[in-house]
Amino acid sequence: QVQLVQSGAEVKKPGASVKVSCKASGYSFTDYYLDWVRQAPGQGLEWMGRINPDNGGTNYAQKFQGRVTMTRDTSISTVYMDLSRLRSDDTAVYYCALGESWFDPWGQGTLVTVSS
Amino acid sequence: DIQMTQSPSSVSASVGDRVTLTCRASQDISRWLAWYQQNPGKAPKLLIYAASSLQSGVPSRFSGSGSGTDFTLTISSLQPEDFATYYCQQANSFPRTFGQGTKVEIK
Repeated sequence: QVQLVQSGAEVKKPGASVKVSCKASGYSFTDYYLDWVRQAPGQGLEWMGRINPDNGGTNYAQKFQGRVTMTRDTSISTVYMDLSRLRSDDTAVYYCALGESWFDPWGQGTLVTVSS
Repeated sequence: DIQMTQSPSSVSASVGDRVTLTCRASQDISRWLAWYQQNPGKAPKLLIYAASSLQSGVPSRFSGSGSGTDFTLTISSLQPEDFATYYCQQANSFPRTFGQGTKVEIK
């Protein structure tokens, strides 16, 4: 079955960067976009951007332009989301999710805590 | 950006109740709308896509309707496992945007 497995929780200091991975299995990796969505504690869902695993093309939300980089490694069916210049309000669970328009399935989520 | 507004923000209901949740888009999104269910500490789960198509494996008590700017998610007979938070999401344009969520609580 289609599965997305994300890397483990991270604790970072303000100003640092974090790189979260999402390993895909159960389908042809290059056939579908992978998106990243985050959720701050007790808050709603926020779309960050997407990557085309076939050609590496990306589309980022304006809010994250300049701070986020999404990449992929087709040899291991894994996408990465790198967020730099972390602030306390970047504390959130970060999800990868599969889809063209709607998202299914989702990874299990990765908690990133930004704290001094 | 397209703003998605859900109402109510929370609803209290009993097992067996019929519950209707609403999502309004700030501009016409045709039928480019999905609904998700999220339980605490879990990833969202896709319920409905293209406004009214039931995702495989989702119980038939869930249904979606609407087009343009106004959409509804209906749970025909609420079950204990349905107490959760529900989000709508537009897929008409980028950036993808979500509603703020509706929490369905036990009365």
